[in-house]
Order: sequence, then structure tokens, then C-alpha cells
Amino acid sequence: DQQVKQNSPSLSVQEGRISILNCDYTNSMFDYFLWYKKYPAEGPTFLISISSIKDKNEDGRFTVFLNKSAKHLSLHIVPSQPGDSAVYFCAASAGGYSTLTFGKGTMLLVSP
Amino acid sequence: EAGVAQSPRYKIIEKRQSVAFWCNPISGHATLYWYQQILGQGPKLLIQFQNNGVVDDSQLPKDRFSAERLKGVDSTLKIQPAKLEDSAVYLCASSWAGGGGTDTQYFGPGTRLTVL
Repeated sequence: DQQVKQNSPSLSVQEGRISILNCDYTNSMFDYFLWYKKYPAEGPTFLISISSIKDKNEDGRFTVFLNKSAKHLSLHIVPSQPGDSAVYFCAASAGGYSTLTFGKGTMLLVSP
Repeated sequence: EAGVAQSPRYKIIEKRQSVAFWCNPISGHATLYWYQQILGQGPKLLIQFQNNGVVDDSQLPKDRFSAERLKGVDSTLKIQPAKLEDSAVYLCASSWAGGGGTDTQYFGPGTRLTVL
């Protein structure tokens, strides 16, 4: 039973345009959500997070939106750059000291 | 600041052999995690340590996998005997405090294991 779902295995975007990566979750106990970015042969690196008490969090070119009623979150990258090409993982936790549950990831390719 | 170190980076073994992976977390990080990432999947937590105590090992296949964190610093993950389905990248991560989503985890580069 996959509690965090990233239904798009891949996404291609042109440089300068917006990239939108989506994530759905099923566990209503999740209250903290994160996005990690992973380059080949490297470990995932933390990108941005959002608490369930918010519906938006912004950090430079990256914005995460949370729709709790739909159990859906999305990561927007504006403008997209070729260096953003990587696999993006959505992760969630149920607060406190609970562990992270990851989605399968979406491979983003930003072409010049 | 040095990141999470892991070794070896790559390992190829035959099924039924044993293998061990080593992880050195970021200095001062109390919490250490081992994840298994099978190709096409997201990382799955195997075990979480808080200092040298186990916090969560509910998804660790204890009949063949074992892990220890001596003196609350370095950690070793062992597989004995290995099966074909153990082929994966094994990621180590560490974080400052008590773990959980709000405690940012820093990942090492991983060890890619191939079981033939």
C-alpha cells in the first residue's frame, strides 16, 4: 500500500518555463511534507518542506503548495533551469519523531 | 562541514554471500538512518538509531539484515546471506536531533549493491 504517490515517472520542460511536480498521499495522519532532489550517483538532498498548518511555502524559485482536503501537494519551479534536471522525491511524516515515507520519484528533464 | 560518508560505493556479490556497509554521519548528529532504495522506488527506511539505541527497525528483515551503531557514531549494516532481491542502493542519512519529518535528514552518496 503506497501512502505517498508520485504518478508521473518523468516530466520534460523547457528552460525558463514552469515545472510542476505532483504528489498525492493517502494517510490523513501525515502533517509534514518534504521534497528531496537527487542527482545520479548522489544521495537525495533536502529542497523544501511544508507543514500542514500552511498551504504554501516559498524558497527562491521553489514553491510547494499543499491542498489538505485533496491530500495533494505540488512543487513549482519557476523559472526552470537545466541544472534542475534530477529526480524529485516527495516525502511525508506523521509529525513528532515519526519516520519519512517517500514516493517513487519523478525525473525532471529541463532542456535548454 | 563534511557530509555523510559511506563505503564502499559499489559492491557486487553472489547470492548467499555476506556483505557489510559502513556509514559515518555528520559530526554531532544524534540520529542515523539506513534506507534501501530499489531501482524505480523511493527510499525505504530499514532502521533508525538515536545515538546508539534503535528507534525503529520495523522494516528491517531481521533474519538476514543486521545493523549496529557503535558508540553512537559510525554504523554498519550487514546482509547475511544476500538474496537477489537485495540488489539496491543502500543510503545512510543523519540528522541533528530526535528524527521525524521536521528534523532535516542529510544523505550520503549510497552504496550500490548488485547480487548475482
